Amino acid sequence: AQTVTQSQPEMSVQEAETVTLSCTYDTSESDYYLFWYKQPPSRQMILVIRQEAYKQQNATENRFSVNFQKAAKSFSLKISDSQLGDAAMYFCAYFRDTPLVFGKGTRLSVIA
Amino acid sequence: EAGVVQSPRYKIIEKKQPVAFWCNPISGHNTLYWYLQNLGQGPELLIRYENEEAVDDSQLPKDRFSAERLKGVDSTLKIQPAELGDSAVYLCASSLRVDLTGELFFGEGSRLTVL
Repeated sequence: AQTVTQSQPEMSVQEAETVTLSCTYDTSESDYYLFWYKQPPSRQMILVIRQEAYKQQNATENRFSVNFQKAAKSFSLKISDSQLGDAAMYFCAYFRDTPLVFGKGTRLSVIA
Repeated sequence: EAGVVQSPRYKIIEKKQPVAFWCNPISGHNTLYWYLQNLGQGPELLIRYENEEAVDDSQLPKDRFSAERLKGVDSTLKIQPAELGDSAVYLCASSLRVDLTGELFFGEGSRLTVL
């Protein structure tokens, strides 16, 4: 079964600085999707960024970008110019043919 | 367009009591999911519906949990009887189709506390 590992239970970043959240996964597939979801204290999870495994180019969405290392099965999220509103739980997730498999999450705190 | 709607947001019950959660997915989304999220953990799938058919319920504890999606739109998740360990957030999500990109749209969740 696919597994997703987030090794950083908690991270903190100063406002306006950059932070990187780590994620590794295990799969024998070559085509799949990877996601980063954000869950603010209100609990509604929202999609931050998506990466298609067959695309070598790293996905970017405004201040959010990923470093996708397919051979290493690594999928890290970089948040640039961190804002107070970025404080949340961040979940890495894997998708192939079955519903999303989530990691345990990283709690990000943003320090003003 | 309205998002995924869940109710109630919060529920506190005594152990052994029943409880039910309701979910209305985004209009036109024929795939509906119920996830369990324990404190400090990532969501874990309980059941997935394609229209009114439960196509993946392998993780649903069927001795006490049940779910239905009678008309292929809204869904109800029931626990009877509730146990202390059922205290968690129950998330509902929907998507257009399960075999596309896998992107899900989540509701705000229902937080259950069992005393």
